[in-house]
Amino acid sequence: QSVLTQPPSASGTPGQRVTISCSGSSSNIGSNSVFWYHQLPGTAPKLLIYRNDQRPSGVPDRFSSSRSGTSASLAISGLRSEDEADYYCSTWDDSLSAVVFGGGTKLTVL
Amino acid sequence: QVQLVESGGGVVQPGRSLRLSCAASGFTFSIYGMHWVRQAPGKGLEWVALTSFDGSNKQYADSVKGRFTISRDDSKNTLYLQMNSLRPEDTAVYYCARADPSAWYAGFHYWGQGILVMVSS
Repeated sequence: QSVLTQPPSASGTPGQRVTISCSGSSSNIGSNSVFWYHQLPGTAPKLLIYRNDQRPSGVPDRFSSSRSGTSASLAISGLRSEDEADYYCSTWDDSLSAVVFGGGTKLTVL
Repeated sequence: QVQLVESGGGVVQPGRSLRLSCAASGFTFSIYGMHWVRQAPGKGLEWVALTSFDGSNKQYADSVKGRFTISRDDSKNTLYLQMNSLRPEDTAVYYCARADPSAWYAGFHYWGQGILVMVSS
């Protein structure tokens, strides 16, 4: 059971907007920066969003995220087939003194 | 460009030891915190350990505490993970990752390609 809760799957059609939620608690999302990663099959994860809502260079502005209270969400607009991947949220947990991940969300582009 | 290259993985019997290395290049290694993250076959990501930029602050996941040791050699731009008393549940792809420069304990900007460790008799 992951400390951060994500839906196991999400889907959308090309051009659509999808959101992926990440739910935590006051000891993790409520007090620390949230990061988002995506992982294509057989490859290493890559950073998508850092410090709640910042996009690294090279990540298109179709990807955005927000944090409110003890939850965060990742939004992908203008969905494309290459967005099909696993998506993970993570942050630090003050109570556990550990980095915690969500269980991952498999995004399917129909 | 930032490169992180893991090595030292392989097949090992339960109870034995293994040391992973992560060779860093393309950035000033000595000023960044570093992490190890693993992923069991078909499973999600699991954080393993972190070290601060100067090695003064190290943290471990409960699942590896007392068995794994993270260390760094800035003269060689290399991160290590000494894994002792290995168990079958340690079987995973192990990634080294460079920490966020500000929230260094919470997230990572760059990941290595990963190295497979299989613990099996």
